[in-house]
Amino acid sequence: GQNIDQPTEMTATEGAIVQINCTYQTSGFNGLFWYQQHAGEAPTFLSYNVLDGLEEKGRFSSFLSRSKGYSYLLLKELQMKDSASYLCAVMDSNYQLIWGAGTKLIIKP
Amino acid sequence: GAVVSQHPSRVICKSGTSVKIECRSLDFQATTMFWYRQFPKQSLMLMATSNEGSKATYEQGVEKDKFLINHASLTLSTLTVTSAHPEDSSFYICSAPQGAGETQYFGPGTRLLVL
Repeated sequence: GQNIDQPTEMTATEGAIVQINCTYQTSGFNGLFWYQQHAGEAPTFLSYNVLDGLEEKGRFSSFLSRSKGYSYLLLKELQMKDSASYLCAVMDSNYQLIWGAGTKLIIKP
Repeated sequence: GAVVSQHPSRVICKSGTSVKIECRSLDFQATTMFWYRQFPKQSLMLMATSNEGSKATYEQGVEKDKFLINHASLTLSTLTVTSAHPEDSSFYICSAPQGAGETQYFGPGTRLLVL
């Protein structure tokens, strides 16, 4: 079966760095996406990785290793507004998007 | 990024009535759109894939006669919840793919409360 694993919840301190991991087992691979979802709101797109390596976008970076079925989202200089759920999603060989359950990130002052 | 809108953002209705939710891609065309449902503190659940010019594809366990989908044009898909019941109360979100990797861009969601 297809599976995406990410931690249920993480806590970090304002100003610090946090890394949210995502491992996946899917039938084929056509890209990995990270989304941010604040409570009560719809998800917003953060990043897309289809090749191995690190993609940097401001305070957020996303890494992919296809051979390991692994990705992480790195958030630097954490701000209170970064408190949200972070969703990892993989597009399989049929171009179906498989969603992880999300990681709830709690930022403490 | 691409912009997707939804209307209404919030609706309260009586049990047994039907509710229509619209999803529009504002600055791009979408032959495919997706409808999700999310209950409080739970994951996104894909309900169906809306296809312009053809029938929608429903996920297992989703009643196609209850959740009617019409993809009327390349920028509009509608979801009608027919004979709504309190258990249908949820957050309904649409998305449309655009750009690199067919990235899905989400509408702001519609919060449905059935009394």
